[in-house]
Amino acid sequence: DQQVKQNSPSLSVQEGRISILNCDYTNSMFDYFLWYKKYPAEGPTFLISISSIKDKNEDGRFTVFLNKSAKHLSLHIVPSQPGDSAVYFCAARAGNNDMRFGAGTRLTVKP
Amino acid sequence: DTAVSQTPKYLVTQMGNDKSIKCEQNLGHDTMYWYKQDSKKFLKIMFSYNNKELIINETVPNRFSPKSPDKAHLNLHINSLELGDSAVYFCASSQGFGEVNYGYTFGSGTRLTVV
Repeated sequence: DQQVKQNSPSLSVQEGRISILNCDYTNSMFDYFLWYKKYPAEGPTFLISISSIKDKNEDGRFTVFLNKSAKHLSLHIVPSQPGDSAVYFCAARAGNNDMRFGAGTRLTVKP
Repeated sequence: DTAVSQTPKYLVTQMGNDKSIKCEQNLGHDTMYWYKQDSKKFLKIMFSYNNKELIINETVPNRFSPKSPDKAHLNLHINSLELGDSAVYFCASSQGFGEVNYGYTFGSGTRLTVV
């Protein structure tokens, strides 16, 4: 029962363009959503989060959008840089700090 | 100065053996977790400890036993290892419940291979 889904296993974009990573969820009780970035042989690193009462949160080049009616969130990276190449995990909290993760999307930013 | 450190980084062992993975965090967090990343790359919660008390215990075989001697440590002991236990195990920590807007801090993972 995968409550958080990232349907695109990979995404390739040109440097300077926008990267859009998508995530869908099924549990309407999730109250917080997060994005993590993971480089090979390292643990996931927290990137940005959004509360379920908001629809947008921005931090520098990273913006997360939440559409609760569609149970969908997305991460926008503008402009994309080669150093952004990594696996991005979407995660959602179901209370009691029970965090559920998607399977990740591998982003490749080409110079 | 590693915030969340796991040892060993790699572990290759035979079926039926008992092994432990250690985790330590120096962030002063009061909650620690074990996650398993399976072959399909999903990160799945196994256990969560808050102030040395077990909070989350997902459906995990009882061959897996977490031990938290203090707030800064959460070790994972696995008995009678099976081939299906092969995965990458991540330890993580966070400050309390409710501070999730800062996310978890993860260790770099332990790749366990059972042969």
